[in-house]
Amino acid sequence: SQKIEQNSEALNIQEGKTATLTCNYTNYSPAYLQWYRQDPGRGPVFLLLIRENEKEKRKERLKVTFDTTLKQSLFHITASQPADSATYLCALARDSNYQLIWGAGTKLIIKP
Amino acid sequence: DGGITQSPKYLFRKEGQNVTLSCEQNLNHDAMYWYRQDPGQGLRLIYYSQIVNDFQKGDIAEGYSVSREKKESFPLTVTSAQKNPTAFYLCASSRGGPNQPQHFGDGTRLSIL
Repeated sequence: SQKIEQNSEALNIQEGKTATLTCNYTNYSPAYLQWYRQDPGRGPVFLLLIRENEKEKRKERLKVTFDTTLKQSLFHITASQPADSATYLCALARDSNYQLIWGAGTKLIIKP
Repeated sequence: DGGITQSPKYLFRKEGQNVTLSCEQNLNHDAMYWYRQDPGQGLRLIYYSQIVNDFQKGDIAEGYSVSREKKESFPLTVTSAQKNPTAFYLCASSRGGPNQPQHFGDGTRLSIL
């Protein structure tokens, strides 16, 4: 079955630097991969979606890459700010149905 | 503003008691979902519904039940058969399809008395 691995250790980054988070999957390449942000005690908020035939997607300071050979997606935040501190989740679409498989998330801490 | 409303924010269950978590959306989305989130784990799907009056079991449906009588509403009942109900429950909706983002409520935290 498909498994998703995100770094369980918190990532500490100095303000202004680029933060890079990793999402690895173990089995088939998903048709779509999504990234979400979750703040403590809140629901996840959608950030970006990338399709398997797309190498890269950008939105303002955010960039997502998708490497089906490495079975990996990278999520970058450039010019990071303390307000970017949160847990970031990746999720993969299962085939053509409506279900997503979720990673456990990586906690990002941006230090001023 | 459009969105998803979950209530209550906190809920306590006694032994042998069923409790119902509310989820309402005004986004006109066809699909709705219930997830359970435990520390250190990814979201796990309990039930989902693609259309009114229809719903499907997710990976961990045992001990839970749902209904979808209206497009806007997708309540989740945690029954006494669910032996480990303490968790953070999240409701989401989407237009449907794997290429659509999911919109989440702010969750209900359920604890055992």
